[in-house]
Amino acid sequence: QKEVEQNSGPLSVPEGAIASLNCTYSDRGSQSFFWYRQYSGKSPELIMFIYSNGDKEDGRFTAQLNKASQYVSLLIRDSQPSDSATYLCAVNKTRGNEKLTFGTGTRLTIIP
Amino acid sequence: GAVVSQHPSRVICKSGTSVKIECRSLDFQATTMFWYRQFPKQSLMLMATSNEGSKATYEQGVEKDKFLINHASLTLSTLTVTSAHPEDSSFYICSASPGLTGSPLHFGNGTRLTVT
Repeated sequence: QKEVEQNSGPLSVPEGAIASLNCTYSDRGSQSFFWYRQYSGKSPELIMFIYSNGDKEDGRFTAQLNKASQYVSLLIRDSQPSDSATYLCAVNKTRGNEKLTFGTGTRLTIIP
Repeated sequence: GAVVSQHPSRVICKSGTSVKIECRSLDFQATTMFWYRQFPKQSLMLMATSNEGSKATYEQGVEKDKFLINHASLTLSTLTVTSAHPEDSSFYICSASPGLTGSPLHFGNGTRLTVT
């Protein structure tokens, strides 16, 4: 079992709709969870991070964490073509800045 | 916000030569930086943790004599790919954090290495 699992996609969503990206992790002791967006040929950029169970909202983005189910998701509301990218889920065993374990990413395409 | 600069962004070298990649934290000090490698359509794989003033910690399967890491100051870490081979061609990305509790990692822009 991979430490961090994501559906590779591609996931196609119409413009204006909600895109839902999912991630599961194997280490129940994981403490911090991150979503990065990566455009082709570019390095990842941080979208959101979450530490506690529940939802965390930032603009059009909402991160959801369920530690009991070892599940973290990212919702993108009012999807825009510029949201088309690969979204990487990353997990850390602590709340510090130690090394992250990344999933393989989900490729999202927003259809105009 | 935290900015991490990486140079060069793209390099082509001949097999057998060495290539140095620099990673700088521009507006914060980083006692720890991380070096990742990403092959096409694959995820980021951590290669090593660069520690200021001490030896780097390498992940299993990463040759420390091939990928030399130097973290000589609180704002600069370098990765040198020695005796590069075509299979070393990849996207190398460094990352760092301001080190405050809970502060996430920020990534440099990456270096695309092509070994011919």
